Amino acid sequence: DAKTTQPTSMDCAEGRAANLPCNHSTISGNEYVYWYRQIHSQGPQYIIHGLKNNETNEMASLIITEDRKSSTLILPHATLRDTAVYYCIVKRFGNEKLTFGTGTRLTIIP
Amino acid sequence: GAGVSQSPSNKVTEKGKDVELRCDPISGHTALYWYRQSLGQGLEFLIYFQGNSAPDKSGLPSDRFSAERTGGSVSTLTIQRTQQEDSAVYLCASSLEGGIYNSPLHFGNGTRLTVT
Repeated sequence: DAKTTQPTSMDCAEGRAANLPCNHSTISGNEYVYWYRQIHSQGPQYIIHGLKNNETNEMASLIITEDRKSSTLILPHATLRDTAVYYCIVKRFGNEKLTFGTGTRLTIIP
Repeated sequence: GAGVSQSPSNKVTEKGKDVELRCDPISGHTALYWYRQSLGQGLEFLIYFQGNSAPDKSGLPSDRFSAERTGGSVSTLTIQRTQQEDSAVYLCASSLEGGIYNSPLHFGNGTRLTVT
């Protein structure tokens, strides 16, 4: 599976949109981009995933660049409860397991 | 609905003792995964079950670690002769159809194991 690069940490003001970038320049055609987050003392929580089209659900939006070498997770109106470590993961279709990196520690500032 | 349940939530054991960690996946989920997370570290894959069989055991760190799953449901991770480096949070996850179908993983809140 392709490697991902994320900033170590980010801050965002409460109520603003949080934009979390992820680089995956070696991604191949059959690899999906997944986002999970881990709130302190809890297990990771699935947020969203996509292949090449932008995706939106009740939690977030996922914007994938046309060349698929990077993506951005958008939390439209961040709340204090969104403070967590966010993991961007690239997984090949047919590969069973997710490989977690070190993620981005997002802190929402009141 | 009920999520993935893990027990115990905390376990303190003495070095050299055996421990069993239990995972109850979401009902109907055929795939089950074990990960562990050491303090301040990322998640490390241990083992994956599809039904009762384990096609990928590649992450088990040593032969002291074993896992089984019965009835396509409950799974037990056993660590024999525990060592201090086994101290970590052990996380279980389940998914509806297994990773090849892109079903998202649903994680429990883990068992925090401390080996003294």
